Amino acid sequence: AQSVTQPDIHITVSEGASLELRCNYSYGATPYLFWYVQSPGQGLQLLLKYFSGDTLVQGIKGFEAEFKRSQSSFNLRKPSVHWSDAAEYFCAVGAWAGANNLFFGTGTRLTVIP
Amino acid sequence: ETGVTQTPRHLVMGMTNKKSLKCEQHLGHNAMYWYKQSAKKPLELMFVYNFKEQTENNSVPSRFSPECPNSSHLFLHLHTLQPEDSALYLCASSQEKTGQETQYFGPGTRLLVL
Repeated sequence: AQSVTQPDIHITVSEGASLELRCNYSYGATPYLFWYVQSPGQGLQLLLKYFSGDTLVQGIKGFEAEFKRSQSSFNLRKPSVHWSDAAEYFCAVGAWAGANNLFFGTGTRLTVIP
Repeated sequence: ETGVTQTPRHLVMGMTNKKSLKCEQHLGHNAMYWYKQSAKKPLELMFVYNFKEQTENNSVPSRFSPECPNSSHLFLHLHTLQPEDSALYLCASSQEKTGQETQYFGPGTRLLVL
């Protein structure tokens, strides 16, 4: 069965520092991987996605993520964090063949300090 | 108009009330979803509609009743809810062509059951 693990519940970084949010997945076939961000009181906004091809994918707001099949990981990175990046981040894995299902991790809350 | 809208944004109801949540997508998509987001838990997929037909019902209690009158509108009818049903209810939509397409989320309805 598919599952997603985000091992860090809460991360605090200084503004301008680099960021890496971890995501590990369990899935028997080629996964479709997503990162979403949720600001307080808001829905989920897609940051980036991986379906195939280049394993380093670029997203909005300066985020990128790298798919590493050997490690079953899809970590999210940003070289320099801005205060507006404070939010909750969700990793999700999807299945092929019309299943429509996304399996989400429990999220990582990011706090940015000045 | 933004892509996926939800009304109301906040709802407080007693356990004997009947209410409905509304979702509308303006993206021309053909699939719509209801998710439940509770604190410290992964997003839970509740219902999926493809081309107005319900294709998924993840063991959701019958006190939640979905309705999809057309591909742009999705409702979630609520009756005799329990306090543990208090959560953020998110609607999403996607264009299903090849089996796994990106889901776009609305801002959610924050529900409190007293």
